[in-house]
Amino acid sequence: KAGVTQTPRYLIKTRGQQVTLSCSPISGHRSVSWYQQTPGQGLQFLFEYFSETQRNKGNFPGRFSGRQFSNSRSEMNVSTLELGDSALYLCASSLGENVFTGDTIYFGEGSWLTVV
Amino acid sequence: AQSVTQLGSHVSVSEGALVLLRCNYSSSVPPYLFWYVQYPNQGLQLLLKYTSAATLVKGINGFEAEFKKSETSFHLTKPSAHMSDAAEYFCAVLTGANNLFFGTGTRLTVIP
Repeated sequence: KAGVTQTPRYLIKTRGQQVTLSCSPISGHRSVSWYQQTPGQGLQFLFEYFSETQRNKGNFPGRFSGRQFSNSRSEMNVSTLELGDSALYLCASSLGENVFTGDTIYFGEGSWLTVV
Repeated sequence: AQSVTQLGSHVSVSEGALVLLRCNYSSSVPPYLFWYVQYPNQGLQLLLKYTSAATLVKGINGFEAEFKKSETSFHLTKPSAHMSDAAEYFCAVLTGANNLFFGTGTRLTVIP
């Protein structure tokens, strides 16, 4: 079956703009989580959704938001983009109710965001 | 505060040699610990996880890790490196607050 799909794969935005990234989880998976990966900061957890509800949120400013739809697809939005937001944004899906229960987390290949 | 530290951003080993990737964590509550691997141009794959059962955890591809509470460590090892092990490895800690923290990663190079 298809893996986690993220779109777009690459995008360039200007500082001050906003961006929306999309994630389609593996069929049947209801938990979706988002992560930011930068060379200096490593991989940081952003937030997690299950059944359209945000379960937990990492230590990121309010400019970072997300949502999940009834079909489990998720979107992540970053408003008022800053240069430091340039990163790889990874989405992951899991079968269980909570991605942190130890279930295998299936990651997408990510969306590369460059802010200029 | 909770965090995870991976010592060594780059590790090189010869093919057939022991692989040792270090991970230390800090947590005020018993953690769950994970090792993930990221092959070039691919997503993150779970290698193994510690969830308070046996302290020696065996994962895929011949990797294993030992949870040592006294040392707050969860180092990843493999007796004999293979060329296909070249990848980036991430240690992660999950705490009772449902916060997941990843280390900054260790890039493993295997020299033929």
